[in-house]
Amino acid sequence: QKEVEQNSGPLSVPEGAIASLNCTYSDRVSQSFFWYRQYSGKSPELIMSIYSNGDKEDGRFTAQLNKASQYVSLLIRDSQPSDSATYLCAVKSRGSNYKLTFGKGTLLTVNP
Amino acid sequence: DVKVTQSSRYLVKRTGEKVFLECVQDMDHENMFWYRQDPGLGLRLIYFSYDVKMKEKGDIPEGYSVSREKKERFSLILESASTNQTSMYLCASSFSGTGVPNEAFFGQGTRLTVV
Repeated sequence: QKEVEQNSGPLSVPEGAIASLNCTYSDRVSQSFFWYRQYSGKSPELIMSIYSNGDKEDGRFTAQLNKASQYVSLLIRDSQPSDSATYLCAVKSRGSNYKLTFGKGTLLTVNP
Repeated sequence: DVKVTQSSRYLVKRTGEKVFLECVQDMDHENMFWYRQDPGLGLRLIYFSYDVKMKEKGDIPEGYSVSREKKERFSLILESASTNQTSMYLCASSFSGTGVPNEAFFGQGTRLTVV
């Protein structure tokens, strides 16, 4: 059973701080990794994708991937109250052309 | 922009009714998915389709069926709705294969209540 694990939270940070969200996965041959943001009552929207080891930055967001440790993280700099949402980690295995495995998500609250 | 459109935002149906949830995507994606999302259980895959008329069961297919007659359209059918099928239903689509972005794009969701 391929698994993706996330701390369910809630993770609470003050406005302007760095929020760090973590995800581990069990399938060693996973090759593609995604972070989705989901506001309450809404559908998930893609924030970041990362395919190789290291960091990938997009505005206030940085995704970090360490395949040796089977670990992917999302950093949100200068957190804003509008970042308050559930963040879902998703992983695609090399053996699959289509199927993503999702974690259950981490609830982030940014306090003004 | 990728657009995945679900036919209804909210639905209320009676126990035993046959329910159709429709999903259309405009990006020529090969893959289409139906998930349900429940508090504490995360996203669970019901069915997916990798080509027209092709389908495979996901993790929780019982009580559901699907239809994909055209590439852009994927329908989820609840043959006889039950109260335990009350949930948020999410359709998604993606490209297939290696060497291409495989991220899934979601529709707006259908909140189904079975009474």
